[in-house]
Amino acid sequence: ETGVTQTPRHLVMGMTNKKSLKCEQHLGHNAMYWYKQSAKKPLELMFVYSLEERVENNSVPSRFSPECPNSSHLFLHLHTLQPEDSALYLCASSQDSGLRNSPLHFGNGTRLTVT
Amino acid sequence: RKEVEQDPGPFNVPEGATVAFNCTYSNSASQSFFWYRQDCRKEPKLLMSVYSSGNEDGRFTAQLNRASQYISLLIRDSKLSDSATYLCVVPPGHTGRRALTFGSGTRLQVQP
Repeated sequence: ETGVTQTPRHLVMGMTNKKSLKCEQHLGHNAMYWYKQSAKKPLELMFVYSLEERVENNSVPSRFSPECPNSSHLFLHLHTLQPEDSALYLCASSQDSGLRNSPLHFGNGTRLTVT
Repeated sequence: RKEVEQDPGPFNVPEGATVAFNCTYSNSASQSFFWYRQDCRKEPKLLMSVYSSGNEDGRFTAQLNRASQYISLLIRDSKLSDSATYLCVVPPGHTGRRALTFGSGTRLQVQP
């Protein structure tokens, strides 16, 4: 397998459920990201991990909890979400050299619907 | 000025036409830029990188104007398959942030 893989592709959950999104990258990158894309809105950065350390949290509500156990895997744990959290959640990776010039490689996303 | 600003379009052009999009950015310290393409309900995919004055790849040309702080994307001989949203992406420069900033995108519709 190559690239960035996200599972599941689609997820429907109730507001009281707990679920997790999974992302795996096979590119040898050392930085991973979660982005949210709502309908007709630009990509919103949620979290950045570099070398498994969270280096940016973009004021995301605590009902979203990221986890990065190693440089190849990234999770987003979801708990008591709201209907307005329905969106496309995109994972990405890059080679974070400190120069911050590396492009992002995206997974194909998880389309989340909160009912 | 917004960090990254794009005309949302849509740009409706006939097949074979030449079309250009501009993107303005506010962080003068940004050193390199990217254009991504995003198809409907799909993930963004890297189209081109722009590290100096410009870059050309087949029908696509990206140019950078540091003095005026904008980048442009030119598509020649448009194909139906070019229909997509084109995202301008700017690195954080020296802001202390660690991630790229995405524009809201310009939608292109190529018509037969």
